[in-house]
Amino acid sequence: SQQGEEDPQALSIQEGENATMNCSYKTSINNLQWYRQNSGRGLVHLILIRSNEREKHSGRLRVTLDTSKKSSSLLITASRAADTASYFCATGLVGDSNYQLIWGAGTKLIIKP
Amino acid sequence: NAGVTQTPKFQVLKTGQSMTLQCAQDMNHNSMYWYRQDPGMGLRLIYYSASEGTTDKGEVPNGYNVSRLNKREFSLRLESAAPSQTSVYFCASSLRDRDIQYFGAGTRLSVL
Repeated sequence: SQQGEEDPQALSIQEGENATMNCSYKTSINNLQWYRQNSGRGLVHLILIRSNEREKHSGRLRVTLDTSKKSSSLLITASRAADTASYFCATGLVGDSNYQLIWGAGTKLIIKP
Repeated sequence: NAGVTQTPKFQVLKTGQSMTLQCAQDMNHNSMYWYRQDPGMGLRLIYYSASEGTTDKGEVPNGYNVSRLNKREFSLRLESAAPSQTSVYFCASSLRDRDIQYFGAGTRLSVL
C-alpha cells in the first residue's frame, strides 16, 4: 500500500484564493518532499522538510509537518493560473535499507481565472 | 544546464518487441531511478541504483531490466514489450538516496 496519500484527490478554486492539500503517511520518515507536475511534464521539486522540522516556507508555498499525526500540508497562497498542476508528496523513510522515496497518488489542482 | 536527459521522448512498439530507454544526468549524482506513471496515478518505482555499480528492484520490476552503465547513465530495457507496459516512463536522479530528485521530461511509450 502507498506510504503517502494526498487529500483531496482534486481541488478547484478561483484565482487569488489559497489552496491547501494534505499528505498522510504510515511509518517513520527521514524527510517529506512536495513536487509539482504540470500536464505532460516531469516532476519538479518544491520543498523538502526534515522530520525534525515543523514548518518551511518558499515564496507563496508553506509546508507543515506533524510527525505525531503522520501528516503534512502544502499551502499555496494567492493562487495563480500557472499553479494549475498535480502535486505529489513523497516520503524518505528511516533506515539504512530504505533508499527510495515513497510517492502518493497526487492532488490535481485547477485554478480558475 | 541539461540536468536529466531521457531518450526517446515517444515510442510505439508492437507486442513482443524490445527497446531500451536511455537516461543520462550531468549533475554528478550518485542515485538514479526509473519510474512509470499511468494515467491519473502517481509514480511507481521500477528499479533504482543507489550508487554506481548497484541496482535494486522497486515496486514493479517484472518485465524490465536495467543497467547502470557508469555514474552518468542508467538505462531501462524492455525485453518483450506487453500492452500492460504502455505508460509514461520517468528517469530521475538525486545526489544521495532519499534526497531531492530531479526528473527527465519522460518517455511516452505505447505498446500495441
